[in-house]
Amino acid sequence: SQQGEEDPQALSIQEGENATMNCSYKTSINNLQWYRQNSGRGLVHLILIRSNEREKHSGRLRVTLDTSKKSSSLLITASRAADTASYFCATDAWGAQKLVFGQGTRLTINP
Amino acid sequence: EPEVTQTPSHQVTQMGQEVILRCVPISNHLYFYWYRQILGQKVEFLVSFYNNEISEKSEIFDDQFSVERPDGSNFTLKIRSTKLEDSAMYFCASQERSGDGYTFGSGTRLTVV
Repeated sequence: SQQGEEDPQALSIQEGENATMNCSYKTSINNLQWYRQNSGRGLVHLILIRSNEREKHSGRLRVTLDTSKKSSSLLITASRAADTASYFCATDAWGAQKLVFGQGTRLTINP
Repeated sequence: EPEVTQTPSHQVTQMGQEVILRCVPISNHLYFYWYRQILGQKVEFLVSFYNNEISEKSEIFDDQFSVERPDGSNFTLKIRSTKLEDSAMYFCASQERSGDGYTFGSGTRLTVV
C-alpha cells in the first residue's frame, strides 16, 4: 500500500490554538497534497508540496515534508470554529496517475 | 473560481439497477478521476482518464464499472448492476496537468436499497 497513517485520528482544541496533523506514507512521491472535507461534503484542495520542497505556507496553513522520514505535517495556526472538518493527506506517486488518501484527522475547534 | 459539477447530488436505486453518475470537469483540465468514499471510511481511487482512455484503475473498478467522456464537457461513471456495497459518496475530480492539485466535485451520494 502506498499510504501509511495519519495521526491523530481525532483532535479537539480550543479556538485560537494551533492544530497539528501528521501523515506518513510508504512510497516515493512526486508530491503530497492536503485536503479538507466538511461533514458530508466534497474535498477542498488546501495545499500541495512537491518532493523537492521542505516547507510551504498558505495563509494560516503551514505544511512540512520530510522525504527521508516519508512524513508530512499540516499546521493550522490561530484556529477558528470554521476550521472544524476532516483533513486528509494524499500522495501522488511517481508514475501513478492517482492520489492515495490517508484515513484523515477529524478536527474539532471548540468556541 | 472554476468548479467541478456533479449530478445528481443524491441517488437512490434498487439493487441490480444501472446508474449513471455525471460530472462536468473544469473546461481546460485534461485529467479526470472518479473516487468513492464509503461512509466513515477513507477516500478510495477508482479510475483515472486521460486522452479519451483509462490511464489507471483500481481493483474496485471491475467489469460492472465503466467511464465515458461522451462529448467535450461531460464525464460519466456507469455502474451496470448495483450492489448494496456500492452505496457510497462518489467524487469526480479533474486536474489541469499531471502533478497539479485536483479539483473535486461535491459528490453524488449513492444509496443502493
